[in-house]
Amino acid sequence: GENVEQHPSTLSVQEGDSAVIKCTYSDSASNYFPWYKQELGKRPQLIIDIRSNVGEKKDQRIAVTLNKTAKHFSLHITETQPEDSAVYFCAAAGRGSNYQLIWGAGTKLIIKP
Amino acid sequence: SAVISQKPSRDICQRGTSLTIQCQVDSQVTMMFWYRQQPGQSLTLIATANQGSEATYESGFVIDKFPISRPNLTFSTLTVSNMSPEDSSIYLCSVDIRNTEAFFGQGTRLTVV
Repeated sequence: GENVEQHPSTLSVQEGDSAVIKCTYSDSASNYFPWYKQELGKRPQLIIDIRSNVGEKKDQRIAVTLNKTAKHFSLHITETQPEDSAVYFCAAAGRGSNYQLIWGAGTKLIIKP
Repeated sequence: SAVISQKPSRDICQRGTSLTIQCQVDSQVTMMFWYRQQPGQSLTLIATANQGSEATYESGFVIDKFPISRPNLTFSTLTVSNMSPEDSSIYLCSVDIRNTEAFFGQGTRLTVV
């Protein structure tokens, strides 16, 4: 079945710098790759997603890139702000997982003032 | 989209007792998911609940410990039975609409004393 690995587990960046979180997946049949943000004490919420028919997607300061050949996808946050501090989860889904989301382990992003 | 109401939001329980967590969705969904999450850690899938059939449990989770009900397409319950301190965690219900965004309840923070 599908397996998703996420790195790093913790990322600390200076406010204003960029942050990059990477995930790899094992099942080439996966075709949907969302990213979720979970603030302390709150539920995970979708921030951006990408499907396998595109290589990159942007939404203001966040972007996701997908490399299907290498089976990895990344979250990019530019001009980081204190409110970006949270735990970020990647996930993958597709025919191989019966379209159920398979989650990465999460990355705790710390924005230093 | 889907709005999920989960309750209770938190509880402190005596060891050996049971707690039932409820999730109500504002639309009909085929599958509902129950997760366990230690604060700041990854989402661990407990089971998948389909309406009209037995829940499917992940490795390490059994029906006797975590019985699930799914009486209709908008409601599910998870019971944590015969609790011990090791069951202290955050429990989350979730729905996702086949290869699209997942929505989460607000979570139940359980402390077993």
